Amino acid sequence: AQTVTQSQPEMSVQEAETVTLSCTYDTSENNYYLFWYKQPPSRQMILVIRQEAYKQQNATENRFSVNFQKAAKSFSLKISDSQLGDTAMYFCAFMKPNLPQGGKLIFGQGTELSVKP
Amino acid sequence: GAVVSQHPSWVICKSGTSVKIECRSLDFQATTMFWYRQFPKQSLMLMATSNEGSKATYEQGVEKDKFLINHASLTLSTLTVTSAHPEDSSFYICSAPLGRSNQPQHFGDGTRLSIL
Repeated sequence: AQTVTQSQPEMSVQEAETVTLSCTYDTSENNYYLFWYKQPPSRQMILVIRQEAYKQQNATENRFSVNFQKAAKSFSLKISDSQLGDTAMYFCAFMKPNLPQGGKLIFGQGTELSVKP
Repeated sequence: GAVVSQHPSWVICKSGTSVKIECRSLDFQATTMFWYRQFPKQSLMLMATSNEGSKATYEQGVEKDKFLINHASLTLSTLTVTSAHPEDSSFYICSAPLGRSNQPQHFGDGTRLSIL
Protein backbone atom coordinates (compact mmCIF):
# COMPACT_ATOMS: atom_id res chain seq x y z
CA ALA A 1 0.00 0.00 0.00
CA GLN A 2 1.10 3.52 -0.71
CA THR A 3 1.72 6.04 2.05
CA VAL A 4 2.41 9.77 1.97
CA THR A 5 4.11 11.59 4.82
CA GLN A 6 4.29 15.30 5.48
CA SER A 7 6.46 15.86 8.52
CA GLN A 8 5.79 19.58 8.96
CA PRO A 9 2.35 20.18 10.54
CA GLU A 10 2.85 23.95 10.48
CA MET A 11 5.10 26.37 8.67
CA SER A 12 5.31 30.11 8.51
CA VAL A 13 7.06 32.46 6.12
CA GLN A 14 7.37 36.19 5.67
CA GLU A 15 5.70 37.74 2.70
CA ALA A 16 7.97 37.77 -0.39
CA GLU A 17 10.23 35.10 1.07
CA THR A 18 10.68 31.50 -0.10
CA VAL A 19 9.43 28.44 1.74
CA THR A 20 9.80 24.71 1.09
CA LEU A 21 7.26 22.12 2.17
CA SER A 22 8.43 18.52 2.53
CA CYS A 23 6.77 15.33 1.39
CA THR A 24 7.94 11.74 1.25
CA TYR A 25 6.07 8.74 -0.02
CA ASP A 26 6.37 5.01 -0.19
CA THR A 27 5.38 2.87 -3.14
CA SER A 28 6.52 -0.10 -5.14
CA GLU A 29 4.98 1.33 -8.30
CA ASN A 30 7.16 2.71 -11.08
CA ASN A 31 4.53 4.79 -12.83
CA TYR A 32 2.49 7.24 -10.79
CA TYR A 33 1.55 10.88 -10.30
CA LEU A 34 2.33 13.21 -7.45
CA PHE A 35 0.42 16.35 -6.60
CA TRP A 36 0.37 19.32 -4.31
CA TYR A 37 -3.08 20.62 -3.42
CA LYS A 38 -3.91 23.82 -1.60
CA GLN A 39 -6.93 24.01 0.70
CA PRO A 40 -7.76 27.55 1.87
CA PRO A 41 -10.25 28.20 4.69
CA SER A 42 -13.07 27.82 2.16
CA ARG A 43 -11.99 24.14 2.05
CA GLN A 44 -12.00 24.09 -1.72
CA MET A 45 -9.32 21.77 -3.11
CA ILE A 46 -7.07 23.63 -5.54
CA LEU A 47 -4.44 21.87 -7.61
CA VAL A 48 -1.12 23.65 -7.26
CA ILE A 49 1.21 21.44 -9.25
CA ARG A 50 1.59 17.87 -10.49
CA GLN A 51 4.47 15.64 -11.46
CA GLU A 52 4.52 12.46 -13.53
CA ALA A 53 6.98 9.97 -12.11
CA TYR A 54 8.42 9.06 -15.49
CA LYS A 55 9.44 12.66 -16.12
CA GLN A 56 12.80 13.56 -14.65
CA GLN A 57 12.30 17.28 -15.12
CA ASN A 58 10.85 19.00 -12.09
CA ALA A 59 7.46 20.61 -12.64
CA THR A 60 7.06 24.36 -12.26
CA GLU A 61 3.99 26.58 -12.21
CA ASN A 62 4.83 30.27 -11.88
CA ARG A 63 5.98 30.75 -8.26
CA PHE A 64 5.57 27.08 -7.43
CA SER A 65 8.12 24.41 -8.19
CA VAL A 66 8.90 20.93 -6.99
CA ASN A 67 12.03 18.99 -6.21
CA PHE A 68 11.20 15.44 -7.26
CA GLN A 69 13.71 12.83 -6.15
CA LYS A 70 12.33 9.50 -7.36
CA ALA A 71 15.00 7.28 -5.84
CA ALA A 72 14.62 8.97 -2.48
CA LYS A 73 10.83 9.07 -2.85
CA SER A 74 10.78 12.72 -2.01
CA PHE A 75 8.56 15.43 -3.47
CA SER A 76 9.00 18.87 -1.92
CA LEU A 77 7.18 22.06 -2.89
CA LYS A 78 8.96 25.40 -3.11
CA ILE A 79 6.92 28.58 -3.01
CA SER A 80 8.83 31.64 -4.12
CA ASP A 81 7.86 35.25 -3.43
CA SER A 82 5.24 34.11 -0.91
CA GLN A 83 2.00 36.05 -0.92
CA LEU A 84 -0.66 36.45 1.74
CA GLY A 85 -3.05 34.50 -0.45
CA ASP A 86 -0.78 31.48 -0.20
CA THR A 87 -1.91 31.01 3.40
CA ALA A 88 -3.65 27.64 3.40
CA MET A 89 -3.34 23.96 4.20
CA TYR A 90 -1.16 22.17 1.67
CA PHE A 91 -1.55 18.49 0.92
CA CYS A 92 0.85 16.24 -0.91
CA ALA A 93 -0.90 13.42 -2.76
CA PHE A 94 -0.01 10.23 -4.62
CA MET A 95 -2.00 8.59 -7.38
CA LYS A 96 -1.63 5.52 -9.52
CA PRO A 97 -2.79 6.22 -13.06
CA ASN A 98 -5.50 4.57 -15.05
CA LEU A 99 -8.87 3.46 -13.90
CA PRO A 100 -10.20 1.25 -12.51
CA GLN A 101 -7.31 0.42 -10.18
CA GLY A 102 -5.92 3.93 -10.26
CA GLY A 103 -7.38 7.34 -9.81
CA LYS A 104 -7.51 7.29 -6.02
CA LEU A 105 -5.65 10.08 -4.30
CA ILE A 106 -3.67 9.17 -1.21
CA PHE A 107 -3.06 12.30 0.82
CA GLY A 108 -0.41 13.25 3.32
CA GLN A 109 -1.33 14.72 6.69
CA GLY A 110 -1.06 18.28 5.45
CA THR A 111 1.08 21.31 6.26
CA GLU A 112 -0.59 24.48 7.45
CA LEU A 113 1.25 27.40 5.90
CA SER A 114 0.94 30.91 7.24
CA VAL A 115 2.32 33.83 5.25
CA LYS A 116 2.98 36.79 7.52
CA PRO A 117 2.99 40.41 6.33
CA GLY B 1 -16.45 27.64 -13.63
CA ALA B 2 -16.94 24.57 -11.50
CA VAL B 3 -16.76 21.30 -13.36
CA VAL B 4 -17.99 19.23 -10.42
CA SER B 5 -21.02 20.40 -8.52
CA GLN B 6 -21.65 19.11 -5.01
CA HIS B 7 -24.89 19.70 -3.14
CA PRO B 8 -25.74 20.64 -0.47
CA SER B 9 -22.79 22.67 0.76
CA TRP B 10 -23.95 22.55 4.37
CA VAL B 11 -26.55 20.47 6.13
CA ILE B 12 -27.62 20.27 9.73
CA CYS B 13 -29.96 17.52 10.82
CA LYS B 14 -31.11 15.55 13.80
CA SER B 15 -29.56 12.31 14.90
CA GLY B 16 -31.19 9.29 13.30
CA THR B 17 -32.08 10.90 10.00
CA SER B 18 -30.57 10.04 6.63
CA VAL B 19 -28.78 12.62 4.54
CA LYS B 20 -28.12 12.48 0.80
CA ILE B 21 -25.21 14.32 -0.81
CA GLU B 22 -25.01 14.72 -4.58
CA CYS B 23 -21.92 14.95 -6.73
CA ARG B 24 -22.54 15.94 -10.32
CA SER B 25 -20.07 16.24 -13.17
CA LEU B 26 -20.80 19.18 -15.46
CA ASP B 27 -20.08 18.99 -19.19
CA PHE B 28 -18.28 15.67 -18.95
CA GLN B 29 -19.09 12.07 -18.16
CA ALA B 30 -17.60 10.43 -15.11
CA THR B 31 -17.84 6.66 -14.94
CA THR B 32 -15.89 6.82 -11.71
CA MET B 33 -16.11 9.27 -8.83
CA PHE B 34 -14.42 9.25 -5.47
CA TRP B 35 -15.77 10.18 -2.05
CA TYR B 36 -13.51 11.53 0.70
CA ARG B 37 -14.07 12.46 4.30
CA GLN B 38 -12.18 15.13 6.18
CA PHE B 39 -12.26 15.85 9.90
CA PRO B 40 -11.24 19.32 11.13
CA LYS B 41 -7.53 19.98 10.82
CA GLN B 42 -6.98 16.56 9.29
CA SER B 43 -6.31 15.12 5.88
CA LEU B 44 -8.74 13.76 3.30
CA MET B 45 -9.40 10.07 3.64
CA LEU B 46 -10.77 8.09 0.74
CA MET B 47 -14.05 6.44 1.67
CA ALA B 48 -15.11 4.75 -1.52
CA THR B 49 -14.94 4.59 -5.28
CA SER B 50 -18.25 5.12 -7.01
CA ASN B 51 -18.66 3.16 -10.23
CA GLU B 52 -21.38 3.93 -12.75
CA GLY B 53 -23.72 1.00 -13.20
CA SER B 54 -22.08 -1.21 -10.59
CA LYS B 55 -21.43 -1.45 -6.89
CA ALA B 56 -19.18 0.99 -5.14
CA THR B 57 -15.82 -0.14 -3.84
CA TYR B 58 -15.34 0.77 -0.18
CA GLU B 59 -12.06 1.33 1.60
CA GLN B 60 -11.21 -0.80 4.59
CA GLY B 61 -13.03 0.30 7.71
CA VAL B 62 -15.83 2.16 5.92
CA GLU B 63 -19.28 0.81 6.72
CA LYS B 64 -21.13 0.01 3.51
CA ASP B 65 -24.52 0.06 5.19
CA LYS B 66 -23.82 3.41 6.81
CA PHE B 67 -22.55 5.15 3.70
CA LEU B 68 -24.65 4.16 0.71
CA ILE B 69 -23.29 5.14 -2.68
CA ASN B 70 -25.28 5.16 -5.88
CA HIS B 71 -23.90 6.05 -9.29
CA ALA B 72 -26.97 5.74 -11.45
CA SER B 73 -25.87 7.91 -14.35
CA LEU B 74 -22.68 9.05 -16.04
CA THR B 75 -22.90 12.45 -14.38
CA LEU B 76 -24.26 11.79 -10.90
CA SER B 77 -23.07 9.98 -7.82
CA THR B 78 -24.85 10.20 -4.48
CA LEU B 79 -23.64 9.46 -0.97
CA THR B 80 -26.33 8.75 1.61
CA VAL B 81 -25.39 8.79 5.26
CA THR B 82 -27.98 6.53 6.84
CA SER B 83 -29.24 6.90 10.41
CA ALA B 84 -26.69 9.64 10.98
CA HIS B 85 -25.19 10.20 14.41
CA PRO B 86 -23.02 13.02 15.77
CA GLU B 87 -19.85 11.04 15.06
CA ASP B 88 -20.77 11.15 11.35
CA SER B 89 -20.40 14.92 11.42
CA SER B 90 -17.62 15.77 9.03
CA PHE B 91 -16.70 17.40 5.73
CA TYR B 92 -17.45 15.19 2.74
CA ILE B 93 -15.96 15.92 -0.64
CA CYS B 94 -16.19 14.18 -4.00
CA SER B 95 -13.91 14.16 -7.00
CA ALA B 96 -14.25 13.07 -10.59
CA PRO B 97 -11.36 12.29 -12.93
CA LEU B 98 -11.44 13.60 -16.45
CA GLY B 99 -10.56 10.89 -18.87
CA ARG B 100 -9.13 7.45 -18.43
CA SER B 101 -5.74 8.76 -17.38
CA ASN B 102 -7.50 10.43 -14.43
CA GLN B 103 -6.25 13.84 -15.40
CA PRO B 104 -7.14 16.23 -14.08
CA GLN B 105 -9.08 15.40 -10.94
CA HIS B 106 -11.90 17.83 -10.34
CA PHE B 107 -13.18 18.30 -6.82
CA GLY B 108 -16.58 19.41 -5.66
CA ASP B 109 -16.72 22.20 -3.11
CA GLY B 110 -17.58 19.77 -0.33
CA THR B 111 -20.46 19.28 2.08
CA ARG B 112 -20.28 20.17 5.73
CA LEU B 113 -22.47 17.73 7.63
CA SER B 114 -23.48 18.49 11.20
CA ILE B 115 -25.54 15.98 13.13
CA LEU B 116 -27.18 17.26 16.28
